Amino acid sequence: DIQMTQSPSSVSASVGDRVTITCRASQDISSWLVWYQQKPGKAPKLLIYAASSLQSGVPSRFSGSRSGTDFTLTISSLQPEDFATYYCQQANSFPFTFGPGTKVDIK
Amino acid sequence: EVQLVESGGGLIQSGGSLRLSCAASGFPVISNYLTWVRQAPGKGLEWVSVIYGGGRTYYADSVKGRFTISRDNSKNTLYLQMSSLRADDTAVYYCTRSQGGAGYGMDAWGQGTTVTVSS
Repeated sequence: DIQMTQSPSSVSASVGDRVTITCRASQDISSWLVWYQQKPGKAPKLLIYAASSLQSGVPSRFSGSRSGTDFTLTISSLQPEDFATYYCQQANSFPFTFGPGTKVDIK
Repeated sequence: EVQLVESGGGLIQSGGSLRLSCAASGFPVISNYLTWVRQAPGKGLEWVSVIYGGGRTYYADSVKGRFTISRDNSKNTLYLQMSSLRADDTAVYYCTRSQGGAGYGMDAWGQGTTVTVSS
């Protein structure tokens, strides 16, 4: 199975900050990488699919990129509603696997 | 409007069985990838199982041989039959949809149903 790692595990940031989260796959997954946002007590929300395609309705301050087996989620200017936990997920081969998550909290 | 509503969760003893249901509306289950994802208390997301196309299925190693995913196209409902339940199966179980293929992410999620396995 493909293993996914994320860094950092948590980050403290302020409104307006640029935040970057990295996800690494244990083997080549092409661009089949998905990002989700989850707030406490809620179901996750799809943000980005195919590494860099923004899901409909998601603000443009969210972006994704790929470099080999490394993937990045960037929030260009953190907003109050962005404080949440972010998960990456490989969608290249079954069984799909998630990263352990990155919690973004208030500094 | 796309909607997924899970039911069937509850408290069950270790070794027991439980069937989760997920009623879908706003789209036909037969033409979408449908996935179960779970989240143990205070933990991250874990992909559990998928069904798609002509009924092809895949499972996480942790549930293979114990869980069975299925769907009833006439009822537009997804199921997860769980047997030989263990304490580490305790989690919120979400059903999800992937439109256009599993690689495009899970764009609709239910509210989740809680399964608690007591040892």
